[in-house]
Amino acid sequence: DADVTQTPRNRITKTGKRIMLECSQTKGHDRMYWYRQDPGLGLQLIYYSFDVKDINKGEISDGYSVSRQAQAKFSLSLESAIPNQTALYFCATSDPDRAGTGELFFGEGSRLTVL
Amino acid sequence: QKEVEQNSGPLSVPEGAIASLNCTYSDRVSQSFFWYRQYSGKSPELIMSIYSNGDKEDGRFTAQLNKASQYVSLLIRDSQPSDSATYLCAVDQTGANNLFFGTGTRLTVIP
Repeated sequence: DADVTQTPRNRITKTGKRIMLECSQTKGHDRMYWYRQDPGLGLQLIYYSFDVKDINKGEISDGYSVSRQAQAKFSLSLESAIPNQTALYFCATSDPDRAGTGELFFGEGSRLTVL
Repeated sequence: QKEVEQNSGPLSVPEGAIASLNCTYSDRVSQSFFWYRQYSGKSPELIMSIYSNGDKEDGRFTAQLNKASQYVSLLIRDSQPSDSATYLCAVDQTGANNLFFGTGTRLTVIP
């Protein structure tokens, strides 16, 4: 089983719908991240969390919200999806004891299409 | 201006050649620099890190850093078809593993 699991892996939805992408991890890492990847734009950080009570905005947080339900779970919500949120979304974790190493562990990605 | 810039490619090299991937970054306070490899349809994985000016070698891979020029590069010697992937340059400004990624360079190694 993957250490960082994302659900769903693929989702097609309509404009205006609320969508939640979920991430769970068995690595025991305190730090979790949500990135989106678009062709030609690379990976952009949406939100990150250093522990259950810590939530921080990243580069492109507008239109998104997150919830850190437990150390192992970090979910990303789109309250009212729009077509330009069509992208591949990655959850990642890192070990605070390995801060500065650049070592992020990514999930397999969730492909979201908003029609 | 994006924090990290890369030539998106695609870059094609013949098998056995040296592939050279380049990256520039805008924030002089950046402390740490990384290269991730992403195979098509897969998630990124860390392959190299570099923290000080100069070269760092790991097998067929060499990372080069020039902080004065705000330039990072990755050289892949004796390129193999299995090296065909997108290579992402990433920068950590704070040392907290909050990475800014470039757009990635797609490399194809032709057998």
